[in-house]
Amino acid sequence: KAGVTQTPRYLIKTRGQQVTLSCSPISGHRSVSWYQQTPGQGLQFLFEYFSETQRNKGNFPGRFSGRQFSNSRSEMNVSTLELGDSALYLCASSLDRVVNTEAFFGQGTRLTVV
Amino acid sequence: SQQGEEDPQALSIQEGENATMNCSYKTSINNLQWYRQNSGRGLVHLILIRSNEREKHSGRLRVTLDTSKKSSSLLITASRAADTASYFCATDQENTPLVFGKGTRLSVIA
Repeated sequence: KAGVTQTPRYLIKTRGQQVTLSCSPISGHRSVSWYQQTPGQGLQFLFEYFSETQRNKGNFPGRFSGRQFSNSRSEMNVSTLELGDSALYLCASSLDRVVNTEAFFGQGTRLTVV
Repeated sequence: SQQGEEDPQALSIQEGENATMNCSYKTSINNLQWYRQNSGRGLVHLILIRSNEREKHSGRLRVTLDTSKKSSSLLITASRAADTASYFCATDQENTPLVFGKGTRLSVIA
């Protein structure tokens, strides 16, 4: 069974640009969550999607957005990039967050904003 | 905001020793989960303990949960160099996302 796939693995962008990150969950998983990880703040929750609907949203500015497609693949977009957006962005999939189960994480996308 | 807080922030031990990490949280939970992260990579699920359980084992891992103290501990017995990683606890409440602590960095020296 293929794991969670995140693309790209590494990305360098300039301040002011926008970026789109992609996450393909494990086959059959309908829930996808996104996290931002930085050395100072640890893992911060961004969003959770289930069956194409945003179920939860973290405390991030409107520059951060996401969506989920009918095949459960998810994308997140960050517009008007700032230096502080440099982080490891992690995607996690699970069968169904309402039923408490483990989350399976991808390897992450390392975003560097210069 | 962080729900769980791991303690200590960093731990260095010799191979073969046991490693104990603690997690404290603030509000009631459904479950508590522990994850491991090797440097700069994704997190790997280790164990899930439900709020009505007090102890759970998985291989060399032993997790305890004390809901009255809102705390959990992860014990890794007979540690190996390959156990070197960061360990995170994550609290799990109904219809809310997993909330992670900042982690404990474990170094196992051969």
